[in-house]
Amino acid sequence: AQKITQTQPGMFVQEKEAVTLDCTYDTSDPSYGLFWYKQPSSGEMIFLIYQGSYDQQNATEGRYSLNFQKARKSANLVISASQLGDSAMYFCAMREGDTGRRALTFGSGTRLQVQP
Amino acid sequence: DAGVIQSPRHEVTEMGQEVTLRCKPISGHNSLFWYRQTMMRGLELLIYFNNNVPIDDSGMPEDRFSAKMPNASFSTLKIQPSEPRDSAVYFCASSTTQGRLETQYFGPGTRLLVL
Repeated sequence: AQKITQTQPGMFVQEKEAVTLDCTYDTSDPSYGLFWYKQPSSGEMIFLIYQGSYDQQNATEGRYSLNFQKARKSANLVISASQLGDSAMYFCAMREGDTGRRALTFGSGTRLQVQP
Repeated sequence: DAGVIQSPRHEVTEMGQEVTLRCKPISGHNSLFWYRQTMMRGLELLIYFNNNVPIDDSGMPEDRFSAKMPNASFSTLKIQPSEPRDSAVYFCASSTTQGRLETQYFGPGTRLLVL
């Protein structure tokens, strides 16, 4: 089974509007972390936001927020007031457990295109 | 602060040649990760080190791949002999286990093309 599922291969949004990128995850570990990364066309991976499984509140970082629904095992990224520079691939990733395996498991990504 | 540094940024080689990719993690980070990104398989872990010790190399494709971390500030990923199917972007990332967040910061990647 896929550990991280991103069901939207591509998304379009108008500049200045908000957009939600979906991510669902699968783990039996009670302790885990969820990450979102942005990969622009230049290729680098840029960390955006983190949500821990025990965090009581949804994470926010500037225009990025994470809609964390633990019971549904979803961790959707919300980008408010989209900008042209937000056009990129977005990856959801998970790290399971407090110790041991520290590597990230990535989803297949969503390509976001912001239209003027 | 300097981020994760990778070299070379681009590498074109012929099948059968040895390829060495290099990574300098962020100073103070004690975990280092090598990932590979392809269209077919997406981003996948190859190997990671904690305090210079390899912890999980289950993602290393086969014996042609090897990785070393001789000290806290340097790691190499070697492919010998290289094959066309090794063509991919190879990322190095580092993190610190101090604190709760433990975010992995990625280098710019090495784009490898094996002809």
